Formats: sequence, structure tokens, C-alpha cells
Amino acid sequence: DTEVTQTPKHLVMGMTNKKSLKCEQHMGHRAMYWYKQKAKKPPELMFVYSYEKLSINESVPSRFSPECPNSSLLNLHLHALQPEDSALYLCASSSTGLGTWRRSYNEQFFGPGTRLTVL
Amino acid sequence: AQSVTQLDSQVPVFEEAPVELRCNYSSSVSVYLFWYVQYPNQGLQLLLKYLSGSTLVESINGFEAEFNKSQTSFHLRKPSVHISDTAEYFCAVSASSPVRGGGSEKLVFGKGTKLTVNP
Repeated sequence: DTEVTQTPKHLVMGMTNKKSLKCEQHMGHRAMYWYKQKAKKPPELMFVYSYEKLSINESVPSRFSPECPNSSLLNLHLHALQPEDSALYLCASSSTGLGTWRRSYNEQFFGPGTRLTVL
Repeated sequence: AQSVTQLDSQVPVFEEAPVELRCNYSSSVSVYLFWYVQYPNQGLQLLLKYLSGSTLVESINGFEAEFNKSQTSFHLRKPSVHISDTAEYFCAVSASSPVRGGGSEKLVFGKGTKLTVNP
């Protein structure tokens, strides 16, 4: 299984709602990522989890709250979003090279994304 | 820090014509380079990557890219395009320091090039 799945595909929410985006992979990857992509723009990194611990937070507002409950799952909890948060939210995963000093790159596999609209 | 410049935001071509999508990068350290493709309403798919070794890399669907260190470029080429190649193409760079335990990698994307293949 070389797939990253994301649910839901589409989400419409009001500014007072609380919702969650889900991402799942069964490739044994221990690094997982959230990206935000606005229309006609490249993806922007939001968060990185490595071995279920938050390793990178790109100064994302607190209305976005990531969670990694286990090595296969990554959630993004949304609360009190603004209309400008409407975007495609992409999840990705990659393997990691535990215990090695050698430089290595681990390819990121992307999911299809969740199209979020905030009214 | 790394940065990526994709010089053309849009490239229209006719079917069966050759195409080149340009990518230049800036980095003070050695880099890994990637081309991702994004079809409409989908996530990103890795097209090809340069990690080390031969500077010419190829994908299974006829694309190739050449890493040119002196010109800091990684242009994407295809000798004969199909209508199905219509998509957004993102060049990306990653630079990681040798770190014990490996870990996650941060990708920096260019702004993207919209390739439109017309009949």
C-alpha cells in the first residue's frame, strides 16, 4: 500500500464551527506533514511530525491544532477559522533514517487533499 | 535557506511538441531536487528526483530533468507532450544536514508552472 488517504474530500464550515481533517498511511512512515495550498500557489508547510512528535511548526495560528495519535494517523483540528483559511489542505508522509549519520532523503508521498471552504 | 524560482508561470504548447519547464534554485549547501506534478483537483505526485549520481534523471512517462550545479538549474523536458500532460508542475528543493537518526525533510517549492497542451 503506497497510498496516503485524506478525509473528507470537501469540507464547508462556518467561522464558529469545530471540525477535523484526517490523514492516514500504512507505509510504515514515521514522518507526516500538513501543507496548505491556496489556489494557483505552491504548497506551504504547516506542521511536521516525526515519530509522533511535533518537530516543525511553521508559525501556524493556534486555530489550527495538529495531532498525531499513532504512527499511521495525522489529524488537523480546526476551530474559529477565517474565510482566508479556505484552501486545499494536503497531507504527506515519508520514511525516516533512524540511527544513521549518512545523509539521506526520504520521498514525501502526498494525499489527494481536503478542499476546505470557510464561510 | 533554500529558494526555488520557476521562471514561467504558464507554458502553452501544442500536442507532440517538445517542452521545457525551467527551474533554478539557490542554496548554500548541497541540495536534493524534485519535480512534482499536480493534476486538476488532485494532490501532488512525484515526477522525478535528483539525489546524487547521474545528473540526468528520467521518469516513466517520458519526462527528464538535468541537474546543472554550475548554473543551479534543474529544468524539466519532454520531447513530445500529450494532452494528458496538462497539469501544474512544481519544482522543489530540500537540503538537510547530516543528522543522526535522519528525520523529516523540509521541501521548498517553486511557484509552479501551468503546462497546457493543446490539440
